[in-house]
Amino acid sequence: SAVISQKPSRDICQRGTSLTIQCQVDSQVTMMFWYRQQPGQSLTLIATANQGSEATYESGFVIDKFPISRPNLTFSTLTVSNMSPEDSSIYLCSTEDTQYFGPGTRLTVL
Amino acid sequence: GIQVEQSPPDLILQEGANSTLRCNFSDSVNNLQWFHQNPWGQLINLFYIPSGTKQNGRLSATTVATERYSLLYISSSQTTDSGVYFCAVGQISSGSARQLTFGSGTQLTVLP
Repeated sequence: SAVISQKPSRDICQRGTSLTIQCQVDSQVTMMFWYRQQPGQSLTLIATANQGSEATYESGFVIDKFPISRPNLTFSTLTVSNMSPEDSSIYLCSTEDTQYFGPGTRLTVL
Repeated sequence: GIQVEQSPPDLILQEGANSTLRCNFSDSVNNLQWFHQNPWGQLINLFYIPSGTKQNGRLSATTVATERYSLLYISSSQTTDSGVYFCAVGQISSGSARQLTFGSGTQLTVLP
């Protein structure tokens, strides 16, 4: 099983700023996934991050708003850009072994 | 895309009671998982169960893939069982990644 860590665990940010969330896996994985969970809602897939290629975004999510990096097989970052209060959510990463998720990053935008 | 429906949306139990949570899905799947999200937001995998029956302590799950539903049973519930239970499904096909589609969840509250 993979152990997944995320940083930061939570943050409070001002409108218009950007936050980069880090996801670290303790083993090499081909695919990593980023999900968003808005307050009181279920999880929605943002994008799939493959090492060595651009991320694949789901409908409703765009690279300019959620740029993703995948520099190696154990690490990925998700940036939430030009934030608004509607971006307040929990952001979670997962790997291709989809049974395991990171602990999540709880973001509040004021 | 595939649709995942969970019922009931909310469930309140007295400690010690049993419960059944249901997950219906609209297409064939290769992957079905049940998760428990604790009050801190952490998702804990309970079962990987694309078909058949599994048991783990007070929890058990059954998936009838041909009829496109899965059930999660919780027996002798405890207050620590409170939280949101999610069903998530995945379809692995040519060129498709192994992402999950989540249901809307069942909010379980177990009262002491």
